Amino acid sequence: DGGITQSPKYLFRKEGQNVTLSCEQNLNHDAMYWYRQDPGQGLRLIYYSQIVNDFQKGDIAEGYSVSREKKESFPLTVTSAQKNPTAFYLCASSIGSQGGPQHFGDGTRLSIL
Amino acid sequence: SQQGEEDPQALSIQEGENATMNCSYKTSINNLQWYRQNSGRGLVHLILIRSNEREKHSGRLRVTLDTSKKSSSLLITASRAADTASYFCATAYGGATNKLIFGTGTLLAVQP
Repeated sequence: DGGITQSPKYLFRKEGQNVTLSCEQNLNHDAMYWYRQDPGQGLRLIYYSQIVNDFQKGDIAEGYSVSREKKESFPLTVTSAQKNPTAFYLCASSIGSQGGPQHFGDGTRLSIL
Repeated sequence: SQQGEEDPQALSIQEGENATMNCSYKTSINNLQWYRQNSGRGLVHLILIRSNEREKHSGRLRVTLDTSKKSSSLLITASRAADTASYFCATAYGGATNKLIFGTGTLLAVQP
């Protein structure tokens, strides 16, 4: 079955540590996205990529970095510069047509130790 | 920036009743979408309505769009306990990107 796989499901970060969240899709979608969701709130866009080897900042990119070396993969690194990283992180993908439906993974919950 | 604002923030109903939630947005859109999120899970796409459409149906879901008022509503008929989830609207405003802007969500609780 096609879908998006996020790992790990839970992640803990120590002070000053960078952590990387994995996102893999086998839907053959061109576009991929990373969102942050805080309790009781909607989704805020961190980064997005419309094609391999290209990505753009979203609304809250500071303290995060991404890469898009393969069509299937769009890892997100939460750097030590992100002072409030505790949140639920969601990865999504879409075919690439303008503003079409997005397919989501089941998220990674990141907490601070 | 969050363009969509949902109303109400929370809604509790009995099984079999209808649930209506509303979404307002600020700028012209290409389409508007509704998603469901079960607790601790990812979002699931429910329905998409284009800016030139006024109403759309999918099973027990009915979506309306009023571009003059910049608002949309999602109606779930004959609700079930399994419909308990958060519901989000998301707007696509066209241009060169595929970005969506999500609203703040409505938490729906359907009591058995």
